[in-house]
Amino acid sequence: AQSVTQLGSHVSVSEGALVLLRCNYSSSVPPYLFWYVQYPNQGLQLLLKYTSAATLVKGINGFEAEFKKSETSFHLAKPSAHMSDAAEYFCAVYSFNKFYFGSGTKLNVKP
Amino acid sequence: DSGVTQTPKHLITATGQRVTLRCSPRSGDLSVYWYQQSLDQGLQFLIQYYNGEERAKGNILERFSAQQFPDLHSELNLSSLELGDSALYFCASSVSPSSYEQYFGPGTRLTVT
Repeated sequence: AQSVTQLGSHVSVSEGALVLLRCNYSSSVPPYLFWYVQYPNQGLQLLLKYTSAATLVKGINGFEAEFKKSETSFHLAKPSAHMSDAAEYFCAVYSFNKFYFGSGTKLNVKP
Repeated sequence: DSGVTQTPKHLITATGQRVTLRCSPRSGDLSVYWYQQSLDQGLQFLIQYYNGEERAKGNILERFSAQQFPDLHSELNLSSLELGDSALYFCASSVSPSSYEQYFGPGTRLTVT
């Protein structure tokens, strides 16, 4: 089975600061990788996806992620945090017809 | 609004009971996925249907079952409920299994007392 590890269950940044959320996966074959965001009391919303095209993927709301095969990582970044970015973020892997989600990282943005 | 609807929004029931959760996918989506989200287990994939047929199975208990109907809506049946089944249950849909883009519904919060 695949596994997805998100380092840091809680991350706190100041408004305007860099956001970096870490995700590592285990996969014996190149996977499809995703980042989702979940706002309180809502379902998950797709931020971006990697499906073996460009290794740097741009998503919505100014987020981007870089696929690094050698590090089996797919970290999510945003150059400048906004208060509206406060939410929980999930990294996910699609492999052999199944989705595997990380445990999530709650992002807190301080004014 | 993702276009995926789930009913009911909240459900409170007792141990040993059976409940049915309903999901309507986005218009045009043929694939439906069910997930369970709990504090201790995180987000777990339960099962996937595509055009009425079961396509993939995840960590779904034998007490749970699902189906997708000809009109593409799906139902998740949970029986012999236990306290540990209390969770948020999400449905997601996609155009096809190979589209990889899932759209999540708002979820059904199940509380077992």
